[in-house]
Amino acid sequence: DAGITQSPRHKVTETGTPVTLRCHQTENHRYMYWYRQDPGHGLRLIHYSYGVKDTDKGEVSDGYSVSRSKTEDFLLTLESATSSQTSVYFCAISPGTGPALHFGNGTRLTVT
Amino acid sequence: QQPVQSPQAVILREGEDAVINCSSSKALYSVHWYRQKHGEAPVFLMILLKGGEQMRHEKISASFNEKKQQSSLYLTASQLSYSGTYFCGTEYQIDGGSQGNLIFGKGTKLSVKP
Repeated sequence: DAGITQSPRHKVTETGTPVTLRCHQTENHRYMYWYRQDPGHGLRLIHYSYGVKDTDKGEVSDGYSVSRSKTEDFLLTLESATSSQTSVYFCAISPGTGPALHFGNGTRLTVT
Repeated sequence: QQPVQSPQAVILREGEDAVINCSSSKALYSVHWYRQKHGEAPVFLMILLKGGEQMRHEKISASFNEKKQQSSLYLTASQLSYSGTYFCGTEYQIDGGSQGNLIFGKGTKLSVKP
């Protein structure tokens, strides 16, 4: 692995509750990304970060927020989880915008 | 806007060849290819840059046609280990450079049978 850990690996939560997913890297890479993966949709970018406290929206950012207070940690928060946010969430890291992405093992989130 | 991958799925016998295409309606700066096995994370295979050469990873190669805004992944003499879902990720071109983020296609599921 490229030194990237996601937690938790699995989570079941109820509609309306807040949820935070964590991505931790030990590679000191500048860029960190959150993608969601759903059948028939592939990987879709939610938010990304290009440095501490520097974040921006991706294709499907509604209902999600992110924070990056340290280089190594990138948090994804669902303010009020909905069933449509049931998905597998992948974090990815990269030293820049051109090089390859290295993905974490994913978090499977189920919202009931 | 997601790039379009074709075919959506393909079944091969060991030793057969396959081609997976990735097409964009927007000008491309680069194309990445990833493979994902069931229950695992996507794994990087190769990057093709605008104006760059054809790339290779083991017996898998890829090309980038700038005129057609299309990349093709060639799997030669397929092995059982090639099974998985292949994703292309595209960086779009803005003002001669990259817009910065990868936008992935929906994937092509490849099954290699003995």
